[in-house]
Order: sequence, then C-alpha cells, then structure tokens
Amino acid sequence: SAVISQKPSRDICQRGTSLTIQCQVDSQVTMMFWYRQQPGQSLTLIATANQGSEATYESGFVIDKFPISRPNLTFSTLTVSNMSPEDSSIYLCSTGSGPYNEQFFGPGTRLTVL
Amino acid sequence: AQSVAQPEDQVNVAEGNPLTVKCTYSVSGNPYLFWYVQYPNRGLQFLLKYITGDNLVKGSYGFEAEFNKSQTSFHLKKPSALVSDSALYFCAVRPYSGSARQLTFGSGTQLTVLP
Repeated sequence: SAVISQKPSRDICQRGTSLTIQCQVDSQVTMMFWYRQQPGQSLTLIATANQGSEATYESGFVIDKFPISRPNLTFSTLTVSNMSPEDSSIYLCSTGSGPYNEQFFGPGTRLTVL
Repeated sequence: AQSVAQPEDQVNVAEGNPLTVKCTYSVSGNPYLFWYVQYPNRGLQFLLKYITGDNLVKGSYGFEAEFNKSQTSFHLKKPSALVSDSALYFCAVRPYSGSARQLTFGSGTQLTVLP
C-alpha cells in the first residue's frame, strides 16, 4: 500500500486568489489522481496526472482553472486558480497501479473560499 | 457510462447488531467493485474489493461484501457493529475493461452505530 500526505491540510482563502496543494507519496507510482469532494457529496475525479505527460482532465474541469504538475514519480501539485466560494471543497490526492487494484487516498485538503 | 447507487443516505444500527450498507451498480460488462470508508477529517480508506472468484469477499475490520451479479448489487455487511464503525461509506465501481481512472463512486452512506 502507498502512504500519501497532503499539504496544507486545510486553508481559508479569499475570492480571486490561488492555492497550490501538494501531494507526496512514499513510493514511486505511475498514476496519480486528483479528486474533489464538495460538501455532503461524493468524490468527483478532476484529472489524472502521469509523470512526463500532460494531465488528463475530466469533463467540466480545465487546465486553466486546475493546473497540475507532476515533476517526478512521488510528487504532484494541484492549483486551484482564481477561486470562488463554489470551489470550497475537500481536495484529495490518490494513487493507483491498475484497473483491478484499489486506489489509495491522501487525507485531503479542506479548502474554504470566502 | 457506469454508475453506483447507495440508496440510503443514513443507516443507524445498535452496537452488537448486524449492519448492512447497500450498493447497486450499473456498468458495461463485468465490474470491479470496491468499498471505502471515510472517517471525519481523514481521507478514504480501502475496505475490500471484488475482482473475480468467490462472491463473498472479506476485508478490513471484520467487514465483508457479497457480489450478486443478477441483482447488480455489492452490499457491505458486518455481523456485529461497533461504535467505532461510525463513518461515511462509499461504494465504487470500475468496468472490467476500463482504465484505472474510470473509478466511479456512489453518493455515500453515513453509518451511525449507537451504543
């Protein structure tokens, strides 16, 4: 199993600003995923980040709003840009090694936008 | 496209009683099925999965789940609930022929075990 840490664990931000969330994995992984969990709702995949290639975004999410970096096999960042109160959510980093394997999740970053 | 339904937003059970958290799915072809648990202010923790083989799968913390292909269900069960089992539970599905990114989650069921 993979152990995943995220920074920050929570933040309160002003409208119009940006926040970068860091995700660190204790082992090298090919695929990293970023999810959003809006209050009282389920998880929605934002994008898949593979090292050495551009992130793949799901419908409804765009790179300008959620730029992602994946500089190596153990680290990724997600930036939430030009934030609005609607971006208030928990953002979760995850890894997975294949379609039949479980994914492992970080503890999440709880973002509140005022 | 695949989907997961967790028909109960909230399940309450007395400590020591058996618990069931329901999940039904829709997917093209055979499914990979997963259960996760989320404790307050923590990320999701993997409980168990069904890939193939025996329809009854056992997982962490005494939980088990039964895959029923005819009913397209994958209900989570535990013979004797503990207060510490109180948490948010998510069922998830991925198609057999899909990619790792195609993991779809249900809406979640809040389980409360009453002392």
